[in-house]
Amino acid sequence: DTGVSQDPRHKITKRGQNVTFRCDPISEHNRLYWYRQTLGQGPEFLTYFQNEAQLEKSRLLSDRFSAERPKGSFSTLEIQRTEQGDSAMYLCASSQTDEKLFFGSGTQLSVL
Amino acid sequence: AQTVTQSQPEMSVQEAETVTLSCTYDTSESDYYLFWYKQPPSRQMILVIRQEAYKQQNATENRFSVNFQKAAKSFSLKISDSQLGDAAMYFCAYLTPFLAGGTSYGKLTFGQGTILTVHP
Repeated sequence: DTGVSQDPRHKITKRGQNVTFRCDPISEHNRLYWYRQTLGQGPEFLTYFQNEAQLEKSRLLSDRFSAERPKGSFSTLEIQRTEQGDSAMYLCASSQTDEKLFFGSGTQLSVL
Repeated sequence: AQTVTQSQPEMSVQEAETVTLSCTYDTSESDYYLFWYKQPPSRQMILVIRQEAYKQQNATENRFSVNFQKAAKSFSLKISDSQLGDAAMYFCAYLTPFLAGGTSYGKLTFGQGTILTVHP
């Protein structure tokens, strides 16, 4: 059990650029989640994958956001045409059961 | 919609003393879980303790215990014998299973967090 891994840890980009983050879940976990955390707030749910299928998306996930989980293993979260309001910590979590989520260390995005 | 409220933005405690962090939640569900997560400066979200709503007995994990009052929708965390390593942001969180695509999954709703400072 190597834990949930996220890459990169930090990303600085200019407004209007596209960015992509990667999450590698714990290997036997078929459930994968993305959350977003802004400064001083708790994380907010973005989306959920069961294996390779994206089964739930929050209204927070605008059409500039897209997430994939090909082959049901790692997942990517892409943000197109970044805006300053996208600056946040993006957390990935995985689980094998409904209630026990394991979180990664997150990717901190700063949009200048 | 479920909501989680942490009314204490900041708390402080002396090393070796006891501190209690408050949390209230609102739900119409009967089947749910409650959690306390710790987020140190490394930003890793670490599970501290978990409570199943159907269990009347309060959960305990070493120095951490909860006071779960289901009727009052209250879920406080007590940290005994506080240590310097306990300093962190603490989040109360609620989870109820949702159905999607024929299976269930857990969507966490977090409170705003409480910053805990431990003084030596």
